Amino acid sequence: DTGVSQDPRHKITKRGQNVTFRCDPISEHNRLYWYRQTLGQGPEFLTYFQNEAQLEKSRLLSDRFSAERPKGSFSTLEIQRTEQGDSAMYLCASSLTRLAGGDEQFFGPGTRLTVL
Amino acid sequence: SQKIEQNSEALNIQEGKTATLTCNYTNYSPAYLQWYRQDPGRGPVFLLLIRENEKEKRKERLKVTFDTTLKQSLFHITASQPADSATYLCALDGNQFYFGTGTSLTVIP
Repeated sequence: DTGVSQDPRHKITKRGQNVTFRCDPISEHNRLYWYRQTLGQGPEFLTYFQNEAQLEKSRLLSDRFSAERPKGSFSTLEIQRTEQGDSAMYLCASSLTRLAGGDEQFFGPGTRLTVL
Repeated sequence: SQKIEQNSEALNIQEGKTATLTCNYTNYSPAYLQWYRQDPGRGPVFLLLIRENEKEKRKERLKVTFDTTLKQSLFHITASQPADSATYLCALDGNQFYFGTGTSLTVIP
């Protein structure tokens, strides 16, 4: 399977614990995005990378959230001191930059986080 | 900040009819707009992209229009089928990437 993969698919944690999610993009894609989605809402942008550089981060994103893409391939999203409000589906997407813009994003299956 | 509004109510239509979904946006003039399909428990899947200099784009039974004056895009599915039942999201690109809340479509056999 050459699509975007995410691990784990489900994570249950207790409030206050740290969690880390991994995303493996499509291999030739240079951009990688993280989103959060809650029930009945569209995906909410968190951050994105072009190769290993983090180019944009949502102003709504708490300092408890951090993302890395150390070698421009896979990425990790860490949430420190989780809160119940962090419960959501975390989606990763990748794309190949086009000169004309309008990159088509390919999404992974998501990691569903439940904070008890 | 960017605001994107889609049909707030779920849309139920009869099989074979044309479904029309609306996407309105404010506070931005995007160079292009995208439409995605999302099934329950899965990530969105790209359907179509339309650029600001394009009025209309078609792909099989799908048609998208883009009116930059009205700040609106319409998404049409002709000859709808039960398999078209899903949530449809519009999205546009600023310095971030913004998705609408989505419209849930159910095609009734």
